[in-house]
Amino acid sequence: QSVLTQPPSVSGAPGQRVTISCTGSSSNIGANYDVHWYQHLPGTAPKLLIYANTNRPSGVPDRFSGSKSGTSVSLAITGLQAEDEADYYCQSYDSSLSGSLFGGGTKLTVL
Amino acid sequence: QVQLVESGGGVVQPGRSLRLSCVPSGFTFRNYGMHWVRQAPGKGLEWVAVIWYDGSNKYYADAVKGRFTISRDNSKNTLSLEMNSLRGEDTAVYYCARHVGGFTSGYLDLWGQGTLVTVSS
Repeated sequence: QSVLTQPPSVSGAPGQRVTISCTGSSSNIGANYDVHWYQHLPGTAPKLLIYANTNRPSGVPDRFSGSKSGTSVSLAITGLQAEDEADYYCQSYDSSLSGSLFGGGTKLTVL
Repeated sequence: QVQLVESGGGVVQPGRSLRLSCVPSGFTFRNYGMHWVRQAPGKGLEWVAVIWYDGSNKYYADAVKGRFTISRDNSKNTLSLEMNSLRGEDTAVYYCARHVGGFTSGYLDLWGQGTLVTVSS
């Protein structure tokens, strides 16, 4: 089954570090397809946060970083700020779907 | 200003059709592949369809295959999504998004604000 699995929620206090994992399978992340991350606040357009596993678009603070190991990738956010409270999604190509696949999303709560 | 603006959403009865449009500005539309992505109420993002920069290839999610058609008119700078045989589970905010990079490695770097489609009798 073509699924990207993310934890439903994570939380942290201001200034802390949190990580969000994204686990796939042999038809997506395991096949070495790139993973990308998006930040989405309700009622707004999703925003590209990380592309090709580890790269930040211009304008994205270096508090956000991506990593990849085998069939798992992670998004790390350091120095948490209240404005980081949002939903975060991983996305990759899936060969069995011949199309894109999004993870289920992770809601970040800043305590 | 570089942006995408969707339109065409609304309330439609089950089994009926609806056509969404996405108008780009601030960049050369014909150079980019384009996606439709949706978000049902209380749910996550779901990829719907992609069309290559020249319209030569189109791919769909299983949930919409055979019912939805993605198309583009590069001369008129417009992306469309024709939705037929609509179901309640198609109720969602529909976003258009720009594709950057290769087909299997690419990502969505520019998104519209979305247009709401509600399928209800």
